[in-house]
Amino acid sequence: EVQLVQSGGGLVQPGGSLRLSCAASGFAFSSHTMHWVRQAPGKGLEYVSAVSGDGDSTYYADSVKGRFTISRDNSKNTLYLQMGSLRVEDMAVYYCARGPWNSGYYYFDHWGQGTLVTVSS
Amino acid sequence: DTQMTQSPSALSASVGDRVTITCRASQTISSLLAWYQQKPGKAPRLLIHTASSLEGGVPSRFSGSGSGTEFTLTISSLQPDDFAIYYCQQYKTYSPTFGLGTKVEIK
Repeated sequence: EVQLVQSGGGLVQPGGSLRLSCAASGFAFSSHTMHWVRQAPGKGLEYVSAVSGDGDSTYYADSVKGRFTISRDNSKNTLYLQMGSLRVEDMAVYYCARGPWNSGYYYFDHWGQGTLVTVSS
Repeated sequence: DTQMTQSPSALSASVGDRVTITCRASQTISSLLAWYQQKPGKAPRLLIHTASSLEGGVPSRFSGSGSGTEFTLTISSLQPDDFAIYYCQQYKTYSPTFGLGTKVEIK
């Protein structure tokens, strides 16, 4: 069974940093591009970032470029999102999501449970 | 970025009704469109990819169609478990974008 178990959310002050983790199991982790998608309270879905299966290629939405860093450790089957210079508008539930097997297409066939990031002083 | 416009933003329907949701892309995206279902407090669930390919485990009452810039999600006979928010998403580019969602409520 595919599982994506997230951790690392919480309350942070504006300008602060936070690291999210997503532990994967039940599939060949390194064969899938992995993604982060966020959802502000009561709002729709916003794409954040992607990392290729081998970790060599990354993509960022303009809204987070230069502030967030996506990475993965294939030996630990874990995806990360290091978030820095956090702003109030970054407050959201962050989801990790799996891309389809061995595909460059950016849609998401499995999702983590989500973790809330609250940015407030 | 490619803008995705969903309509309606909300609808009320009864169990057994046929429901259709439309999604329009601001530029052509071929068939690179996915549909998701999201229930309150839960992660989205992939229903359909490539405009009309049903994801494994998704009931056959869900179907998708369209290509280019206009797409539809149809629920042939609405069931109690289908009351949720539905999102379309284009993945023609490496800057995927979602529609704002359609909330399907009980009449």
